[in-house]
Amino acid sequence: DAGVIQSPRHEVTEMGQEVTLRCKPISGHDYLFWYRQTMMRGLELLIYFNNNVPIDDSGMPEDRFSAKMPNASFSTLKIQPSEPRDSAVYFCASSLGRSQGYSNQPQHFGDGTRLSIL
Amino acid sequence: GDSVTQMEGPVTLSEEAFLTINCTYTATGYPSLFWYVQYPGEGLQLLLKATKADDKGSNKGFEATYRKETTSFHLEKGSVQVSDSAVYFCALGSNFGNEKLTFGTGTRLTIIP
Repeated sequence: DAGVIQSPRHEVTEMGQEVTLRCKPISGHDYLFWYRQTMMRGLELLIYFNNNVPIDDSGMPEDRFSAKMPNASFSTLKIQPSEPRDSAVYFCASSLGRSQGYSNQPQHFGDGTRLSIL
Repeated sequence: GDSVTQMEGPVTLSEEAFLTINCTYTATGYPSLFWYVQYPGEGLQLLLKATKADDKGSNKGFEATYRKETTSFHLEKGSVQVSDSAVYFCALGSNFGNEKLTFGTGTRLTIIP
């Protein structure tokens, strides 16, 4: 079975450029999460969706960050304009939830996008 | 609010040594508990889980028991291998039906031959 698929795996771009990270969750999962991982701050939850609707974006660092989920099989995380301090590994994860009759299910992670802003 | 306190690393052990990584939590109700493992260059993978008190989760020789009386979920393995070198995360499931997980800070484990 296909897991969570993220693209690109690596992104190197210059400060000020727009960056778009992409995620395809596991088919049938109704929750989608975006995380950021750095050495300094560890793993941080940025935003999560339930049935394509953003539920909590309190972890989004600032207005330069935005996330969308236009349908159940695709989500994007956009940074515009990007800054060097945005350099991190960004993970997408998905899980089953109550709308599918489940609770307390594990999250399934993609392999991440390693983002470097020069 | 919910929180997870995880043993600080890094931890370095010799092959075949016994492993314990401590994890304690603070939460209301009866959350599910998880251990995730992250190998270099990869995302987090579920290692094991427990959904209620006294449950024991196990996988690949790793075990953890949900201890409500001590609010703990320590990870153990009787004989570690070089291939177990990774970062291990303890996580707590939400009681509020929102499927959020609260993660510990992670413990980097290195096994030397």
